[in-house]
Amino acid sequence: DQQVKQNSPSLSVQEGRISILNCDYTNSMFDYFLWYKKYPAEGPTFLISISSIKDKNEDGRFTVFLNKSAKHLSLHIVPSQPGDSAVYFCAASLNNDMRFGAGTRLTVKP
Amino acid sequence: SQTIHQWPATLVQPVGSPLSLECTVEGTSNPNLYWYRQAAGRGLQLLFYSVGIGQISSEVPQNLSASRPQDRQFILSSKKLLLSDSGFYLCAWSPGTVYEQYFGPGTRLTVT
Repeated sequence: DQQVKQNSPSLSVQEGRISILNCDYTNSMFDYFLWYKKYPAEGPTFLISISSIKDKNEDGRFTVFLNKSAKHLSLHIVPSQPGDSAVYFCAASLNNDMRFGAGTRLTVKP
Repeated sequence: SQTIHQWPATLVQPVGSPLSLECTVEGTSNPNLYWYRQAAGRGLQLLFYSVGIGQISSEVPQNLSASRPQDRQFILSSKKLLLSDSGFYLCAWSPGTVYEQYFGPGTRLTVT
């Protein structure tokens, strides 16, 4: 069963604009959420995370928002840069169990 | 600093052949270790995780197995590969007390 869903397989934005990547989850017991960035033929790299006790976490151009009532989180990238083009995975964790979404391929056009 | 190694980077194996993928972590002790698979067009599927030597938890029943013979070594094996075993296999580690996992470079396995 897919406990973490990324319903948009791809997203294309213009350089300098905002990129918004969305993620939904079904298990209300998840207590930690993460975003990973993945380039082709490489392992994912950790990008940013948020605890379930918060609703926002910001790190430079990257901000993650968590809406627990809607079981929804999003990643905002502002401003978007061509180097941000990659596949972005959201993940939800409980103890040692981490579930990943299917990923969204972001393309930032110059 | 901590580093994670996986090998081989790519592997082409015939159906029915055995498999052994190795993962090692440097610069830390008693890490949690994970094996994931990314099939084409799909997310990352957790296959196995280990919180200590000889302790393996399996998430998905299949013809794969995992072993942890040493603290920082994690091995993914199969006695007989299936076509459906093709995919990108990723090893990851975490310090155990935090949620972030750090991934290795991955192994692209093609079963023919």
